[in-house]
Amino acid sequence: DVVMTQSPLSLPVTLGQPASMSCRSSQSLVFSDGNTYLNWFQQRPGQSPRRLIYKVSNRDSGVPDRFSGSGSGTNFTLKISRVEAEDVGVYYCMQGTNWPPEVTFGGGTKVEIK
Amino acid sequence: QVQLVQSGAEVKKPGASVKISCTATGYTFTTFPIHWVRQTPGQRLEWMGWINAANGNTKYSRKFQGRVTITRDTSATTAYMELSSLTSEDTAVYYCARGGITDWGQGTLVTVSS
Repeated sequence: DVVMTQSPLSLPVTLGQPASMSCRSSQSLVFSDGNTYLNWFQQRPGQSPRRLIYKVSNRDSGVPDRFSGSGSGTNFTLKISRVEAEDVGVYYCMQGTNWPPEVTFGGGTKVEIK
Repeated sequence: QVQLVQSGAEVKKPGASVKISCTATGYTFTTFPIHWVRQTPGQRLEWMGWINAANGNTKYSRKFQGRVTITRDTSATTAYMELSSLTSEDTAVYYCARGGITDWGQGTLVTVSS
């Protein structure tokens, strides 16, 4: 099974400053169709997760452009250009390349304000 | 707008089964699959399985194969997830999610305790 490893576990950030988090997969996420099915989710405290980014770098509708995704193969990054208070929460990466049979999530990075 | 509304919290004894519903509105139910994902008390997200809402085909995570059954009722635009042989390890919040895991339900807390 594909293992998704996120770092850091916790990310204290200053309001208005950038933030960056990493997601690594145990095997390449490039699918046979050439796409890489790596998504990012945000979960604010007390809420359900929400998808932010799909296929590495595509922002979902309504997602602020301060969020950006990048990477390839087995290494991926989510960046927030200027952190706002509403960005506090846990961020998860998820691979769908090796589905079926398995969709796999990373363990999450918790973003908090310093 | 798209809404996924789940049934309420459940308390079950070890060995019992639980069945959770997920009613979809705001789109044509049969045009998107429904996934089930659970979130453990440690905040880890685990994908459980998926149903093709059009034809009822299912795929399950190897971890839950044999214990989980996902069904749907197209006339009620509702998907169901039943998990059997519950143990305390199954205490979690269970989510349904649409399509590419874009839209999520509000979550259903299942507590397994003697």
